[in-house]
Amino acid sequence: GAGVSQTPSNKVTEKGKYVELRCDPISGHTALYWYRQSLGQGPEFLIYFQGTGAADDSGLPNDRFFAVRPEGSVSTLKIQRTERGDSAVYLCASSLTDRGEQYFGPGTRLTVT
Amino acid sequence: GDSVTQMEGPVTLSEEAFLTINCTYTATGYPSLFWYVQYPGEGLQLLLKATKADDKGSNKGFEATYRKETTSFHLEKGSVQVSDSAVYFCALDPYGNNRLAFGKGNQVVVIP
Repeated sequence: GAGVSQTPSNKVTEKGKYVELRCDPISGHTALYWYRQSLGQGPEFLIYFQGTGAADDSGLPNDRFFAVRPEGSVSTLKIQRTERGDSAVYLCASSLTDRGEQYFGPGTRLTVT
Repeated sequence: GDSVTQMEGPVTLSEEAFLTINCTYTATGYPSLFWYVQYPGEGLQLLLKATKADDKGSNKGFEATYRKETTSFHLEKGSVQVSDSAVYFCALDPYGNNRLAFGKGNQVVVIP
């Protein structure tokens, strides 16, 4: 079946602009996670959804970052007033339950110029 | 805070050689431990896991044993193949809530 998909695969934006990154989880998966992977580093947890609600958003670096999952399926990560330090690969993962194996998408590479 | 540390630098070895990638962790509780692998052009995949001390996770010829006394979860494979070339990440779930903390990863290159 289809895995986790993320769009766009690449996004280049100018400093100060607003961006949205989309994640389509595996159908039926109730839990959804966002991670950020900077160059040469491992993925860093950002936020976790169980259904429509953010169960844990403690990894969001500041209030420029926000994520939604309004219908409990697709999620959008929103970054306002982007900074060059936001450049990274943003990974999405989903799991059948909040204790299950996480399946990762291919990521969105964000470059802020 | 809870974290994992992986050995520095890429690993280059010949086909059929023995592979070890070191991973040590810091945690206040009893975390679950994982190894994830990222093959070229693909997303992260779970390779193996262990949920309690002395558990051994295994998959595709890879093994790792949860060692509480040394706070380690080293990854081993007895005879690597070219197809094992990938980036390997050690990770832990310190609170049992699926919020993973990853190490920096190790690039493994297997030469024919």
